This record gives sequence, C-alpha cells and structure tokens, in this order.
Amino acid sequence: DIQMTQSPSTLSASVGDRVTITCRASQSISRWLAWYQQKPGKAPNLLIYKASSLNSGVPSRFSGSGSGTEFTLTISSLQPDDFATYYCQQYNSYPVTFGQGTKVEIK
Amino acid sequence: EVQLVESGGGLVKPGGSLRLSCDASGFIFSNYRMNWVRQAPGKGLEWVSSMTSSGTSIDYADSVKGRFTISRDNAKNSLYLQMNSLRAEDTAVYFCARVGGYSGYGNYYFDYWGQGSLVTVSS
Repeated sequence: DIQMTQSPSTLSASVGDRVTITCRASQSISRWLAWYQQKPGKAPNLLIYKASSLNSGVPSRFSGSGSGTEFTLTISSLQPDDFATYYCQQYNSYPVTFGQGTKVEIK
Repeated sequence: EVQLVESGGGLVKPGGSLRLSCDASGFIFSNYRMNWVRQAPGKGLEWVSSMTSSGTSIDYADSVKGRFTISRDNAKNSLYLQMNSLRAEDTAVYFCARVGGYSGYGNYYFDYWGQGSLVTVSS
C-alpha cells in the first residue's frame, strides 16, 4: 500500500496567516491526490482533487500543488472557519489511502 | 441536495455482528460507485469497502476481508455493510461516501460523505 505522510501533525496559526500543509507519498502518485477538511464530529469535506482542482463551492483561498511524491495544500489567508483537521488521500493505486491528518489550531 | 444518512451503529460484543445502512437522496444512486470509510476514535481515515454502481464489482480492505460484506439496493437508494466477527479494532465511526471521480487507473476520491454511524465493539 502507498503510505501518505503529512507534516506537520499540528499547526498553530492566526487568522490571516498563510498556511501550508505538506503531504508526501511513499511512491509516485502522479497528480492523483485529494484534500479534505474535517471538523470535529463532522464528515470530511472535499476541498481539492487531482492535486490542484478546486471542488465546487470551496473558497479560492484554498489551493493545491505538487506532483509525483510531494504535494502541498495552501490556505492563503486563514479564516476562523478554517480551523479543522486536513487529510490528503491518494487515488493512484489500490487501495486508496489517507494521510494521518494535520490539525490547524488557533495560535 | 445530495444527502447520505447512515444508521445501524451501536455497541456490540467482540465476535458479534451489526448491519449498517446508508440511505441516499438528491442524486441518481444507481449511477454511482459507493464506499464505506471508517475513522477510529481520534484517528485518521481508513477506506473499508467499495461497490460499483451495478454491484458487479466489490473490493474490501485486507483488515475486513472475509468478515464484512457490502451490498446495495438501487431500488431503495440504499447501501449496506454487514459486519461479522467484530473485533475491538473495528470500533470506529463508519462513513458512507460517494465516488466523485477517478484516476487514470480506476481508483477514486470521494465527493459526498454521510455524517457517520458509530460502531463500538466492547465486552
């Protein structure tokens, strides 16, 4: 199985900060990567697919980049609603696998 | 509006069985591959099982193979997960999730998720 490793595990930031989360795959996944946001007690919400395609309705402050084994999710200006846990997911290979998550906390 | 609503979770003893249901609305259920994804308390996400729109192709994670059975009833817009021989490590919130798109290799990401159903396996 492809291992997905996110860094950092926890990130403390303030409203208005630019935030970057990294996701690394144990082997090349081309650009077959999705990002999700999850708030406590809620279902994950799809933010980005195919590494950089923004899902419908997702604010433009979210962006994704990368290919091969290294990917980033960037929030250009952190908003109060963005404090949550973020997961990457590869869908290059079976079985699909997720990163362990990055919790974005209020500084 | 797409809605996925899970039910059937609860407390069960090790070795016991439970059946989860996911009722779908707001889209043509019979057109979509559907999945179960779980999340152990305080942990990350783990894909569990998948079934194609017609039900002809089914996949399972190694961790549940031989114990869990996925099924669907397109006439009722429902997805199911029969869980047998449950273990403590199966304790998790189980999400029903719709496939949103595919890679060039036929694997997929998820565009809509239900709110989840908690399964607790404990004596």
